[in-house]
Amino acid sequence: DAGVTQSPTHLIKTRGQQVTLRCSPKSGHDTVSWYQQALGQGPQFIFQYYEEEERQRGNFPDRFSGHQFPNYSSELNVNALWLGDSALYLCASSWRAQNYGYTFGSGTRLTVV
Amino acid sequence: AQSVTQLGSHVSVSEGALVLLRCNYSSSVPPYLFWYVQYPNQGLQLLLKYTSAATLVKGINGFEAEFKKSETSFHLTKPSAHMSDAAEYFCAVSTPRGGSQGNLIFGKGTKLSVKP
Repeated sequence: DAGVTQSPTHLIKTRGQQVTLRCSPKSGHDTVSWYQQALGQGPQFIFQYYEEEERQRGNFPDRFSGHQFPNYSSELNVNALWLGDSALYLCASSWRAQNYGYTFGSGTRLTVV
Repeated sequence: AQSVTQLGSHVSVSEGALVLLRCNYSSSVPPYLFWYVQYPNQGLQLLLKYTSAATLVKGINGFEAEFKKSETSFHLTKPSAHMSDAAEYFCAVSTPRGGSQGNLIFGKGTKLSVKP
């Protein structure tokens, strides 16, 4: 039973560029949430997608956007990258927009230089 | 607003000793509370959760936590530490929002080291 799959695992981008991260949820899950984990910090909620719509959003600028596809997979897009966007980006999947049944992926490590 | 405070960014114990990781929360409504573990270069794994049932919650790998409303605490314990417990531990809080749960608010984490 595949868990949450994230790609790529590592990524290096230059300031001002745009990046797309991808997430495939655990089998049976229909909701995807994205978190940003800066070095030495706990994860911070970016947004949640359910039924192909953004349902909740954390305190992140509009440079952060997302999408959910009919197969429940999701993308996180970040435009105009800043150095401060360097972090581990975690995807978590769940069922029916719940969070107590989260399964996390191993994350994408983004480095902005 | 909700928040989580984890006391001690780094805790070191000897193998076989008691593990105690502290978590205090702030929430204006009855919370859901979670402990997650993160091993190096990996995602988060749920250890246990409190969702308003029994106040003493047992999780995986011998960990347990007790919800104490009067102290707004949800400390994580394990009677006897193993070398494999060395990792970073995160406490998180959320509250129900309508028909679904709110997002998770995480603490800054506590890194647990286990000495032979």
